[in-house]
Amino acid sequence: NAGVTQTPKFQVLKTGQSMTLQCAQDMNHEYMSWYRQDPGMGLRLIHYSVGAGITDQGEVPNGYNVSRSTTEDFPLRLLSAAPSQTSVYFCASSSTPGNTIYFGEGSWLTVV
Amino acid sequence: RKEVEQDPGPFNVPEGATVAFNCTYSNSASQSFFWYRQDCRKEPKLLMSVYSSGNEDGRFTAQLNRASQYISLLIRDSKLSDSATYLCAVTLNTGFQKLVFGTGTRLLVSP
Repeated sequence: NAGVTQTPKFQVLKTGQSMTLQCAQDMNHEYMSWYRQDPGMGLRLIHYSVGAGITDQGEVPNGYNVSRSTTEDFPLRLLSAAPSQTSVYFCASSSTPGNTIYFGEGSWLTVV
Repeated sequence: RKEVEQDPGPFNVPEGATVAFNCTYSNSASQSFFWYRQDCRKEPKLLMSVYSSGNEDGRFTAQLNRASQYISLLIRDSKLSDSATYLCAVTLNTGFQKLVFGTGTRLLVSP
């Protein structure tokens, strides 16, 4: 009954460090996406993928990289963390964007 | 201009009140529309999809107005447990199809 699993749940980074947020889903969904949520800004799409090997940029892609080597996994990489990347990150998946999307529990990231 | 816009609120209403939220979208080619509910420090969860003919689920009614490019959510007989943030979401077909969200509208229901 896992659904969408994100790790880590909490992380503190120093400016300039890199890290990877992991996301895995066990529903065989083709569509996966990463959002960040900041106060007053709602959910903003960072990157998304419509299947293994296919990714595209969302509204706020700068400073983040993604890859999709398998259907199950969609990691988000922060290349050189900045305080502006302090946020809550949600991974989500669905069979298609037009169907119900399921979210992970979120990853709280603080960059100091 | 954001693709999807909502009034952030908060909307403060007493128990039993009826409250309505609107959400406007900019891309006339959008095909799918949703309302999600998000509780504090939790992930969003689907409340209901929005269909062209409108749809109702208990106290909740969602409608789509394609001509004016907005969707609405009506909550009747508000309960304390309805206090949450309500996010609208819309599919966009620029590039691959993707799902984008509004900023969310915060609802506070008081006794």
